[in-house]
Amino acid sequence: NAGVTQTPKFQVLKTGQSMTLQCAQDMNHEYMSWYRQDPGMGLRLIHYSVGAGITDQGEVPNGYNVSRSTTEDFPLRLLSAAPSQTSVYFCASSYFSGGADYEQYFGPGTRLTVT
Amino acid sequence: SQQGEEDPQALSIQEGENATMNCSYKTSINNLQWYRQNSGRGLVHLILIRSNEREKHSGRLRVTLDTSKKSSSLLITASRAADTASYFCATDAGQAGTALIFGKGTTLSVSS
Repeated sequence: NAGVTQTPKFQVLKTGQSMTLQCAQDMNHEYMSWYRQDPGMGLRLIHYSVGAGITDQGEVPNGYNVSRSTTEDFPLRLLSAAPSQTSVYFCASSYFSGGADYEQYFGPGTRLTVT
Repeated sequence: SQQGEEDPQALSIQEGENATMNCSYKTSINNLQWYRQNSGRGLVHLILIRSNEREKHSGRLRVTLDTSKKSSSLLITASRAADTASYFCATDAGQAGTALIFGKGTTLSVSS
């Protein structure tokens, strides 16, 4: 199993550009989520999904869109990049719909810089 | 807002010593988890303790949970240089099936 994969590893955007961060898992996990990590802030939840076709907002959803058309994939879209979105983005997945009930498997992260 | 807060923010010890990190949280929980993050890498799950458990062990790790004080501690015994990492506690928001909320982490440095 590849586990949770994220692409790209690094990305530089100009303010106003849009892009999609890809996340895929091959463990047949129902639950997937996106976090951003900023220095001294820990991880903050952006969006999560409890299954294909079902998504919900986390703590910091503004400026981001998600969709879940398949169990395997959970892309994160930045609509119009802003310097405040400079961060490291992590995708995670776990069994069942209980995001906190089971251990989460994390991807390696995408380091995004917005200039 | 963060549910959990780790203490201390940073900890420096020598190899062979024990390291203790604490986590306090605000609302009632179903589970509490601890994760490790090596520099520049993703998070790795260490241990999960449920609200009806008071103590759990995994190798050199010992986790305690005191729901009356809304706190947990992670003890790493006989630390090694390879234990150098950031450690995060994470909890749910009090309802089964809800998202995991992370604290800001404790940075542990183990020198040889």
